[in-house]
Amino acid sequence: KQEVTQIPAALSVPEGENLVLNCSFTDSAIYNLQWFRQDPGKGLTSLLLIQSSQREQTSGRLNASLDKSSGRSTLYIAASQPGDSATYLCAVRRGGNNRKLIWGLGTSLAVNP
Amino acid sequence: NAGVTQTPKFQVLKTGQSMTLQCAQDMNHNSMYWYRQDPGMGLRLIYYSASEGTTDKGEVPNGYNVSRLNKREFSLRLESAAPSQTSVYFCASSEWTWTEAFFGQGTRLTVV
Repeated sequence: KQEVTQIPAALSVPEGENLVLNCSFTDSAIYNLQWFRQDPGKGLTSLLLIQSSQREQTSGRLNASLDKSSGRSTLYIAASQPGDSATYLCAVRRGGNNRKLIWGLGTSLAVNP
Repeated sequence: NAGVTQTPKFQVLKTGQSMTLQCAQDMNHNSMYWYRQDPGMGLRLIYYSASEGTTDKGEVPNGYNVSRLNKREFSLRLESAAPSQTSVYFCASSEWTWTEAFFGQGTRLTVV
């Protein structure tokens, strides 16, 4: 059974720091992995989708990496800003016929000015 | 750029009442989903529609029904609301079941 874990559950950093959010999964047979951002009381915004054949994807100050063999993905945020404060969710899409998303519980990030 | 639109944004129901949550997407996506989000439990799939004309159960379908009205619209119905259905409900869509998912802003439902 695929399980997705995000550690730490909460993170507080000063503005300007480069930071790494972690996502680990138990079954390496994934189709792809998606990172989302959720602001309080709001919906989820897709940040990056990384296919199982890819090692990384970049969008602006965000870089997501994927290592299937070790069951890990990281989301790197460069030069963090207070506007980056949000909960970051990782979701793994299973391989095979059942391509549903399996979700982590998220990392709540606070970037302090 | 409407994307995925959910209505209503907030709702309070009494136990036993029924209601329908509406969802529409304007991205010509084939697949649509309903999730619920509860503290400490993450997102859980209620129902999904892989393509127009099909619907399937997710992890937590009990107490819910869905209708894929057309390619754009996917509604979620609570026939007899229970306090355990107090949650935030999200609708999502994707071009296919294996492609990038996009979410609506959510409906915060309280059942008293």
